[in-house]
Amino acid sequence: KAGVTQTPRYLIKTRGQQVTLSCSPISGHRSVSWYQQTPGQGLQFLFEYFSETQRNKGNFPGRFSGRQFSNSRSEMNVSTLELGDSALYLCASSLGDRTEAFFGQGTRLTVV
Amino acid sequence: GENVEQHPSTLSVQEGDSAVIKCTYSDSASNYFPWYKQELGKGPQLIIDIRSNVGEKKDQRIAVTLNKTAKHFSLHITETQPEDSAVYFCAASIMGGGADGLTFGKGTHLIIQP
Repeated sequence: KAGVTQTPRYLIKTRGQQVTLSCSPISGHRSVSWYQQTPGQGLQFLFEYFSETQRNKGNFPGRFSGRQFSNSRSEMNVSTLELGDSALYLCASSLGDRTEAFFGQGTRLTVV
Repeated sequence: GENVEQHPSTLSVQEGDSAVIKCTYSDSASNYFPWYKQELGKGPQLIIDIRSNVGEKKDQRIAVTLNKTAKHFSLHITETQPEDSAVYFCAASIMGGGADGLTFGKGTHLIIQP
């Protein structure tokens, strides 16, 4: 079966712009979690969505937001981009609570 | 909040030898401890996980042990092979499973020497 699909794979944006990243979970999976990965901070949790509701949120500023659609696809948005937002953004999907999670390959965002 | 420490940051072993990676966590409420393997250009892949009601779990050449009293868990890989070379991450959460709310360690770069 198809895995978790993240688009685009690579993105270059300018400081101050905004960006939207997309995540299509494995068919049937209803939980989508987002993570930021940087060399300095490692993997950090952004938020989790289940059935279109944000159930959990990490410690990131309000510039980072997300949403989930009725087909479980999820988007995350970063507004007013800063150089420090350059990172690999990963999403993971799972069937639901306490089930195995599968990560996508990520979107590499570079802010210049 | 939860804090996960992982050691060593780099581990080089001869092919066929064993590798051990150790993690400690701070939140006694954590009940789910997965290990992920990340290869270059790919997302993390779950290789094994353990929940707080179990002390040890094994899957072929990979095993994980958990000491709740010491807040310590470890990954053991036996008979290492070249394809085991990757970055390994431990994580902890209070959510009992999935990818929701995981706190990750900083990773161990495992190098298998031929």
